[in-house]
Amino acid sequence: AQSVTQPDIHITVSEGASLELRCNYSYGATPYLFWYVQSPGQGLQLLLKYFSGDTLVQGIKGFEAEFKRSQSSFNLRKPSVHWSDAAEYFCAVGVGNDMRFGAGTRLTVKP
Amino acid sequence: EAGVAQSPRYKIIEKRQSVAFWCNPISGHATLYWYQQILGQGPKLLIQFQNNGVVDDSQLPKDRFSAERLKGVDSTLKIQPAKLEDSAVYLCASSLGGRGAGANVLTFGAGSRLTVL
Repeated sequence: AQSVTQPDIHITVSEGASLELRCNYSYGATPYLFWYVQSPGQGLQLLLKYFSGDTLVQGIKGFEAEFKRSQSSFNLRKPSVHWSDAAEYFCAVGVGNDMRFGAGTRLTVKP
Repeated sequence: EAGVAQSPRYKIIEKRQSVAFWCNPISGHATLYWYQQILGQGPKLLIQFQNNGVVDDSQLPKDRFSAERLKGVDSTLKIQPAKLEDSAVYLCASSLGGRGAGANVLTFGAGSRLTVL
């Protein structure tokens, strides 16, 4: 069955520390891959996307993600987290017209 | 460019009442989506329109939910009668649609938060 898994429900990091949020998918073909961020009371904002080509993609706000076909993963990273990065992060996978979201990872940033 | 507009932002109703949400997508976006986001969960697709036709409504509870996009632009999502478990944020999103990778890039509205008492 097609699925998107974000194994970590909640992650806490200290400000200035590095961050990695995990995303795994199960699809028959290589899908389009996305990361969205949602601040409290807001809609989802696109951070970055992977369609093809270079497997390391850069996004907004200093985020990057790496597509690993062998692991069916698309993990989100940031070298130094800022307090304003505290939010909910969603991995999304698209095949054709089908777009599915993971359950999300809530990021808390400690001062 | 203007973003995806949704209204109302908040709505509180009692169970068995009805409610309607409105969405105006980005100009020129052919595809419009309605998602339901229950607290603590990821968005779940309710219905997807391509212009004014339905592409996917397999997860729409059709006994109580309905949606339309009459002129291929703005859309309305209705719930009648509402149940307690319908409490959620209803997100509208739009994309260019069609073929190609860019067609899948969704832009979301701020959402409409529904509380059913």
